[in-house]
Amino acid sequence: DSGVTQTPKHLITATGQRVTLRCSPRSGDLSVYWYQQSLDQGLQFLIQYYNGEERAKGNILERFSAQQFPDLHSELNLSSLELGDSALYFCASSVAGTGELFFGEGSRLTVL
Amino acid sequence: AQSVTQLDSQVPVFEEAPVELRCNYSSSVSVYLFWYVQYPNQGLQLLLKYLSGSTLVKGINGFEAEFNKSQTSFHLRKPSVHISDTAEYFCAVSDPTDSWGKLQFGAGTQVVVTP
Repeated sequence: DSGVTQTPKHLITATGQRVTLRCSPRSGDLSVYWYQQSLDQGLQFLIQYYNGEERAKGNILERFSAQQFPDLHSELNLSSLELGDSALYFCASSVAGTGELFFGEGSRLTVL
Repeated sequence: AQSVTQLDSQVPVFEEAPVELRCNYSSSVSVYLFWYVQYPNQGLQLLLKYLSGSTLVKGINGFEAEFNKSQTSFHLRKPSVHISDTAEYFCAVSDPTDSWGKLQFGAGTQVVVTP
């Protein structure tokens, strides 16, 4: 158990819909990262938040957005969903300077 | 920009035999290097990391890796594998001058250990 909690574990929805994925980092970790894992693109970094502020951005689509709340949990919002958005979405958290990311078990999104 | 190449998509190995997973990277700057493991239906777990210092890095579960700057490689080794080492292994790189947790992952190597 990494200490990072993601909900929901599985989500099935239709094209054009919007979903929200939630992540609770390990206690005390200020940084939250979102990654997408798909068969065709592999593991890709989406975005990082540090103590409520966006810190780094990767290949995140404009239809996707994220935020980190004062209690440090984070949400990834995916809108106007397409079939290609079907993937496993991971959240990870870290303590600054340690070089280790702790990953949750992921949220598996299926878009039909 | 950085990239990571894992040269083998799948590596079959017998129990108690040694295994080596190859990873090469390209980068115009110095890098941090990582190996993560993903067991079925689980998230990723850090095996080991190279941030600086000794080029031979020891990690969890008996794994080690050697950073070779001249060959831009960071191969992972284990002298004797167990059935429980069956998993997917990912090499990753990040730029120390950027967010170190912004990892560029390789495509992964599936290790299948058989008795």
